Amino acid sequence: GESVGLHLPTLSVQEGDNSIINCAYSNSASDYFIWYKQESGKGPQFIIDIRSNMDKRQGQRVTVLLNKTVKHLSLQIAATQPGDSAVYFCAEIRGAQKLVFGQGTRLTINP
Amino acid sequence: DTGVSQDPRHKITKRGQNVTFRCDPISEHNRLYWYRQTLGQGPEFLTYFQNEAQLEKSRLLSDRFSAERPKGSFSTLEIQRTEQGDSAMYLCASSLAGGGNYGYTFGSGTRLTVV
Repeated sequence: GESVGLHLPTLSVQEGDNSIINCAYSNSASDYFIWYKQESGKGPQFIIDIRSNMDKRQGQRVTVLLNKTVKHLSLQIAATQPGDSAVYFCAEIRGAQKLVFGQGTRLTINP
Repeated sequence: DTGVSQDPRHKITKRGQNVTFRCDPISEHNRLYWYRQTLGQGPEFLTYFQNEAQLEKSRLLSDRFSAERPKGSFSTLEIQRTEQGDSAMYLCASSLAGGGNYGYTFGSGTRLTVV
């Protein structure tokens, strides 16, 4: 069936470097995507979203890129900090605001 | 209002027992969702309410699961005759229909362990 998935389950980066987390989706009709951050013992926290009529959206230290041709989106985190350590999920809105999540990428920051 | 509240945070129960979880959404949010998250996986949709009406249920929601939102405010999720496979984090979220980025806000979840 259709799904939202991630390329890598874990990612380790040096503090201060930029992080790039990738996500692939299969539903070409998808029109709204959200990136979430989930810290241990907490619920997912909204980071940034993007609609299918956009290729790029920037927030504070984060950028989301959407490539509809290859059905791929990425989350870029600039100047990664220890507080960025978490699991990151991409999610797609389907139907009446039902979220379909990918498996997640665990981001680890090395000092 | 500080966000979505879930109670309890943790629940350990014996197989075969019934458990009930509560979710208090953000007060002005009219949509409320339940998700289940197992270790290492993303959350999976279970069901959602708009006001007091339950409008969609996932196939994951077996007959042993029931959710209510009687007054369109807080919601409860009950699991009857719990099984070990029910062990998971149960997440509640709320949103405002039609609002901006939907304002989707998650609670911290209830972690259920069935022994």
